Amino acid sequence: AQKVTQAQTEISVVEKEDVTLDCVYETRDTTYYLFWYKQPPSGELVFLIRRNSFDEQNEISGRYSWNFQKSTSSFNFTITASQVVDSAVYFCALRRGTSYGKLTFGQGTILTVHP
Amino acid sequence: DADVTQTPRNRITKTGKRIMLECSQTKGHDRMYWYRQDPGLGLQLIYYSFDVKDINKGEISDGYSVSRQAQAKFSLSLESAIPNQTALYFCATSHSNTGELFFGEGSRLTVL
Repeated sequence: AQKVTQAQTEISVVEKEDVTLDCVYETRDTTYYLFWYKQPPSGELVFLIRRNSFDEQNEISGRYSWNFQKSTSSFNFTITASQVVDSAVYFCALRRGTSYGKLTFGQGTILTVHP
Repeated sequence: DADVTQTPRNRITKTGKRIMLECSQTKGHDRMYWYRQDPGLGLQLIYYSFDVKDINKGEISDGYSVSRQAQAKFSLSLESAIPNQTALYFCATSHSNTGELFFGEGSRLTVL
């Protein structure tokens, strides 16, 4: 069975602080994909990143970075120098290599960045 | 205009009523999905369709039905709405090769 756990229900930081959102996953598959989505207050879901299980290189995109570690089954997301516009719910998700589009989502982490 | 469009965006209805949520996409993707979001539970898959003649149940299909009228259209029906179906519903699409989901803006349904 697939499972994604985002243990942090809510995080509150002050602008310019760095913040890391944790994601731990469970799967017995050797081929799988991990995702992060952002849901701002307006409600839509915005795709941030996709990572496959064979690529453990960390990724950086502007102020966003992702740390994928198969040894600990984690795919953590760090926002550097947070901004008020980063306030959103962030979801980590997992899908099997052959289950196109059938994502298993974590519960989400509510991030609030205060000015 | 959004690539994945859901209508209505908000709907309030009463217990026992039949409700249909519609989804259309201009991305040309073959695969479409309906997810439900509840606070603290993330998103759960209701139904999915890999092409016009293909319909599959997801994790929480009881009380729901779907229709894939065309490649670009996928509707979700609640035959007899009940209060615990109050939630935010998302339609999504994906290309068969990448599996990455593209979501609509969501439909907020309240069942009184």
